[in-house]
Amino acid sequence: GAVVSQHPSRVICKSGTSVKIECRSLDFQATTMFWYRQFPKQSLMLMATSNEGSKATYEQGVEKDKFLINHASLTLSTLTVTSAHPEDSSFYICSAEQLSGANVLTFGAGSRLTVL
Amino acid sequence: QKEVEQNSGPLSVPEGAIASLNCTYSDRVSQSFFWYRQYSGKSPELIMSIYSNGDKEDGRFTAQLNKASQYVSLLIRDSQPSDSATYLCAVNLSGGSYIPTFGRGTSLIVHP
Repeated sequence: GAVVSQHPSRVICKSGTSVKIECRSLDFQATTMFWYRQFPKQSLMLMATSNEGSKATYEQGVEKDKFLINHASLTLSTLTVTSAHPEDSSFYICSAEQLSGANVLTFGAGSRLTVL
Repeated sequence: QKEVEQNSGPLSVPEGAIASLNCTYSDRVSQSFFWYRQYSGKSPELIMSIYSNGDKEDGRFTAQLNKASQYVSLLIRDSQPSDSATYLCAVNLSGGSYIPTFGRGTSLIVHP
């Protein structure tokens, strides 16, 4: 089945620094990937839809200048958290639609960000 | 009104029992429904998808969909301690988006 690789799995950074998270589709091409954020005991919240070769579509309330998304190839999307602050500490998860379609998502393993 | 609602739990059942997880949604014209399992600290993995009214069985799991009442449920038979996780209900709401909306999840604890 479709596999989505995401790294780093954990990152700790100082406040004010930037962190990049990579999401790769293995053995399949994903023209669209999705970035979610999940706070403890909360649901998955869609942050943005990453489109290969074009600008990402951000959900309401998500700052596009703070969460930079680049989808430069059919197998790679990156999320950069710029000038991170402690309130950005969260579990970030990318996903792509499975080859069978039917709106089924395959998720990466997630990245736990802790901003000190 | 929240679009996809689940009881956060925890739901505690003894090993071998049937666990019943419920989910309601607000959009009457939703067409696609999913159950994901999420272990603590991990990302979600798909358990079941269901698209039409009725029951769909896969091993120990049965998804039940009732569009008229706008609910979807997941039954886990012969529950095992390894089933202990958070179960997320996801629904493709109308409005043109094919991206599912997730409920906050129900925590299931299966005790020996």
